[in-house]
Amino acid sequence: GAVVSQHPSRVICKSGTSVKIECRSLDFQATTMFWYRQFPKQSLMLMATSNEGSKATYEQGVEKDKFLINHASLTLSTLTVTSAHPEDSSFYICSANRDRGWYGYTFGSGTRLTVV
Amino acid sequence: DAKTTQPPSMDCAEGRAANLPCNHSTISGNEYVYWYRQIHSQGPQYIIHGLKNNETNEMASLIITEDRKSSTLILPHATLRDTAVYYCIVRVVQGTSGTSYGKLTFGQGTILTVHP
Repeated sequence: GAVVSQHPSRVICKSGTSVKIECRSLDFQATTMFWYRQFPKQSLMLMATSNEGSKATYEQGVEKDKFLINHASLTLSTLTVTSAHPEDSSFYICSANRDRGWYGYTFGSGTRLTVV
Repeated sequence: DAKTTQPPSMDCAEGRAANLPCNHSTISGNEYVYWYRQIHSQGPQYIIHGLKNNETNEMASLIITEDRKSSTLILPHATLRDTAVYYCIVRVVQGTSGTSYGKLTFGQGTILTVHP
């Protein structure tokens, strides 16, 4: 149990376009999901906390107008990278907080975004 | 959440036990110790967690010192597939259901390399 599906796993887009990444909790409901970004050889950096039915909470330094987060249901959160630039190329990972149980957070398999 | 300190890298021979240390000297009474690992280009994977007693599951054992200021993750028979970055994180867990709230903050972790 406690599976988080992230899609797509890999995407290449042109500079200036937008890319949407989906994060789904398959067998549990998640009122809270988290979005991380990871550059090569670095640790995961939290970008934002996504709350079902309300606005996301962004970490300091993360542009909310560039990284749009929507958490429309208890099983789906989306991250849209708008007007992507090469410096946005990174590994994006979502995580869902399973509201019950001792196992903490479940992570998606990540999305490798390359902006050319 | 309490800060953790881990060695940046460790090596282990295949088939031998891998012992990964973590210092969390400022841990408070309601904070649990969680271990995750991240295999290259994948999302983090939950391994084990504990409060003050030693814990064991099918993946690993967790030894927490009596003063709770440090812990050791033990992979009893390391395989090449255990090569990954291992993260030690302390988290507040509320209530009897084990629910975790709030964001999960990753440090730099320990790069474990298992060699033949």
